[in-house]
Amino acid sequence: KAGVTQTPRYLIKTRGQQVTLSCSPISGHRSVSWYQQTPGQGLQFLFEYFSETQRNKGNFPGRFSGRQFSNSRSEMNVSTLELGDSALYLCASRPAPIESGGSYNSPLHFGNGTRLTVT
Amino acid sequence: DAKTTQPTSMDCAEGRAANLPCNHSTISGNEYVYWYRQIHSQGPQYIIHGLKNNETNEMASLIITEDRKSSTLILPHATLRDTAVYYCIQISGSARQLTFGSGTQLTVLP
Repeated sequence: KAGVTQTPRYLIKTRGQQVTLSCSPISGHRSVSWYQQTPGQGLQFLFEYFSETQRNKGNFPGRFSGRQFSNSRSEMNVSTLELGDSALYLCASRPAPIESGGSYNSPLHFGNGTRLTVT
Repeated sequence: DAKTTQPTSMDCAEGRAANLPCNHSTISGNEYVYWYRQIHSQGPQYIIHGLKNNETNEMASLIITEDRKSSTLILPHATLRDTAVYYCIQISGSARQLTFGSGTQLTVLP
């Protein structure tokens, strides 16, 4: 079974630009979560999508947005990039969120991330 | 999410068992203990999880104390490729998000 796939693997953008990152979950997984990882802040939750709806959201500004398609694939968009947005962006999938019938007994599986550098 | 406590770093000789401890003294009855690891520049990799009983899979074994306040991840025959940061997490509440602590940097030495 193929794992979580994220594209692109690396990205370099300039301040003020926008960027779109893509994630394909494990087959059969309908929940997709996005995380930002930086050396200083560690792993921080951005949002979770299930059935094309945002179910949970972390504490990030509105410049960070996402969507999910009917095939469960997800995209994340960051507008008006800032230097501080440089990070590893991780996508993770699982069958379903807890509040939608998912189980504690079902791990999140992560992709290898997109390394975004803002200059 | 409640906080777990892990040593900052550990070394292990190649071929020997690596035993990584974790304290989760505030764990509640319905919370699982999950272990992930992250090799530099890659995403976190799921290793194993458990509730009360000891668990084993193709990657590792998980030993949970009877009072569930601590656990140990065992890599039975560590290889150089097991060098990574290992995170112990207790999934709390509605488990809407994961919170990783600082983890343990395991270095497997040749």
